[in-house]
Amino acid sequence: KQEVTQIPAALSVPEGENLVLNCSFTDSAIYNLQWFRQDPGKGLTSLLLIQSSQREQTSGRLNASLDKSSGRSTLYIAASQPGDSATYLCAVWRAGGTSYGKLTFGQGTILTVHP
Amino acid sequence: KAGVTQTPRYLIKTRGQQVTLSCSPISGHRSVSWYQQTPGQGLQFLFEYFSETQRNKGNFPGRFSGRQFSNSRSEMNVSTLELGDSALYLCASSLSGSSYNEQFFGPGTRLTVL
Repeated sequence: KQEVTQIPAALSVPEGENLVLNCSFTDSAIYNLQWFRQDPGKGLTSLLLIQSSQREQTSGRLNASLDKSSGRSTLYIAASQPGDSATYLCAVWRAGGTSYGKLTFGQGTILTVHP
Repeated sequence: KAGVTQTPRYLIKTRGQQVTLSCSPISGHRSVSWYQQTPGQGLQFLFEYFSETQRNKGNFPGRFSGRQFSNSRSEMNVSTLELGDSALYLCASSLSGSSYNEQFFGPGTRLTVL
C-alpha cells in the first residue's frame, strides 16, 4: 500500500527565505508526482507535475525534484513571500493495477511566511 | 479556459438525509475523480469515472455513489448521511485519467452534517 509522508508538518519562515519541503513515498512504482497548493477552505491548485522519467520541474520560483529510487521529492521555494502561505500537498500516481484517476496524498506542510 | 466547477459550494444536511454534489470538468477532459478531505484522514480517493463508466473505486461504503453523463459532467451521491460525512468534497478532472495526465481540482463542496 502506497504511503506518502510530508516533512515538516508545519513551517514558519520570514519573508525572503529559501525553503525546502519534503515528500517521501513507500512504493517507487509511480508514474508521476504532483505538487499542489491549498489555501484555507479552498480547492487544490496544481503547482508542478513530474513524470516518473523526469528528475525535476521548474515554474517561476518553484523547483521540484524527484528521486524514485529513494522514494523522495522536494519542493524548493526561492525568495518566499507572504502570499506563499498555504498548505502544500504532494501526491503520487501509482503505476499498474487499477490506478485510474487515483492520487495518493501526503498530509501536507502548512507554510507560513511572515513579513 | 474555464476550470473545474463544483456546485453547490456549501451544504448543510441532517443525519439520515441524502445529498447530491455536481462537478463539471474542464472542457475536453473526460475523466473525473472524486476525493473526500477531512482534518483527520486528509485527502482520500472516492472513485473515478471515464466515458460514463466507473473505472476505479476507493475504500468507501456503498452509501457513496456517483455517475457521469455523456458530457463528462459527474455527480456524487451520499445516502443516509452520517456525522462523519462532514467534509470538503473535491473533484478533479484530467484528459483521460491515465497516470501521465495532470489532475486539476475544483473549489470543492463543503458538506456539514448536523
